[in-house]
Amino acid sequence: QQPVQSPQAVILREGEDAVINCSSSKALYSVHWYRQKHGEAPVFLMILLKGGEQKGHEKISASFNEKKQQSSLYLTASQLSYSGTYFCGSISNFGNEKLTFGTGTRLTIIP
Amino acid sequence: NAGVTQTPKFQVLKTGQSMTLQCAQDMNHEYMSWYRQDPGMGLRLIHYSVGAGITDQGEVPNGYNVSRSTTEDFPLRLLSAAPSQTSVYFCASSSRVRGSYNEQFFGPGTRLTVL
Repeated sequence: QQPVQSPQAVILREGEDAVINCSSSKALYSVHWYRQKHGEAPVFLMILLKGGEQKGHEKISASFNEKKQQSSLYLTASQLSYSGTYFCGSISNFGNEKLTFGTGTRLTIIP
Repeated sequence: NAGVTQTPKFQVLKTGQSMTLQCAQDMNHEYMSWYRQDPGMGLRLIHYSVGAGITDQGEVPNGYNVSRSTTEDFPLRLLSAAPSQTSVYFCASSSRVRGSYNEQFFGPGTRLTVL
């Protein structure tokens, strides 16, 4: 089952902050964040693993609340280059190899 | 390294035709996956593989077959194309970290139209 993302779309001015949320009806082992620009392939941003380990982007942070089965991606002081569609993917438990993605959040940054 | 390559980039099929989308990676990754992307639907997992000789179904496997005879290659076969299979198809590969997916590398995609 796909994780659920919110909001579906957001428009920001350059320099503003954004939060994108991802939730699952199942227990989460790991959450994966990707960004996709129009006409291109998705690009890796971050992995958050159960137990607190994180791997990813320097300028983007994220949280992972295992009990609430939620993750949030924080984009601070947004830049024009942050525009794109953000996807969260989830693995429901250790050893489960099905990485499924949400429907995406479209972020538009305007000057 | 070429990363993940996909061929063809564009394809037009008639209903009922069959074809194979090719995917190859040169990073010695264990995990490989096929996704389709339709407007408003995000990335939906079709099939995936955790190693040569091992494949499994994803969320939307009907109408597609896969095989993985080598670590490098993971072709996706459309058995009898239908207009509902018009989509952009992405192949991805990943190594393993703590028993799960590491960073996934996506290919450039194949844009398929079924008439």
